Amino acid sequence: EPEVTQTPSHQVTQMGQEVILRCVPISNHLYFYWYRQILGQKVEFLVSFYNNEISEKSEIFDDQFSVERPDGSNFTLKIRSTKLEDSAMYFCASSPGRLGGTDTQYFGPGTRLTVL
Amino acid sequence: GDSVTQMEGPVTLSEEAFLTINCTYTATGYPSLFWYVQYPGEGLQLLLKATKADDKGSNKGFEATYRKETTSFHLEKGSVQVSDSAVYFCALSDLYSSASKIIFGSGTRLSIRP
Repeated sequence: EPEVTQTPSHQVTQMGQEVILRCVPISNHLYFYWYRQILGQKVEFLVSFYNNEISEKSEIFDDQFSVERPDGSNFTLKIRSTKLEDSAMYFCASSPGRLGGTDTQYFGPGTRLTVL
Repeated sequence: GDSVTQMEGPVTLSEEAFLTINCTYTATGYPSLFWYVQYPGEGLQLLLKATKADDKGSNKGFEATYRKETTSFHLEKGSVQVSDSAVYFCALSDLYSSASKIIFGSGTRLSIRP
């Protein structure tokens, strides 16, 4: 069964450094998402992406964040200058994009980001 | 805005016990409702979903019915197993937006004793 994959599984970085989290969505899916889960808290939406542009973003997704689909398979989340509070599990998801909003989003296993 | 409220955990049950995890929602539109499960050390997996009122989602012995009159989507299982130990998230997304975000509840940790 096709699945969403994410690399790396764990990333440790120093405060102020740039990080890029990588995702390979399911191949025929059209919509891509990033969510994050701070330890012990609920999963929060960051951004959705369709047709090479951002569809929707949350208040969390400020100028420090960017997303890109650099080729036909990868979907990346970049944090330009990491802060301690960016430490979280980051989940990528993709969905087929059927009309009517009954899409199911399929999640990757997550990347745990630790900012020191 | 839209939101999801689910019962706080942890919930600890003995094997073969009956499980209910309560979930209620607030939404201005007509959301689809979901239960996701997160096993230890793993990502989020869709457990079941329902897209309209009175729909029942079911999978792996779990069931949840979309109750519009009570704005609820409670998760039930008749006989839990140790392997059901995980964190369960109730969630919703806007039915009429195909690129819509999912709004999650805070999660309920379930532990099953042998």
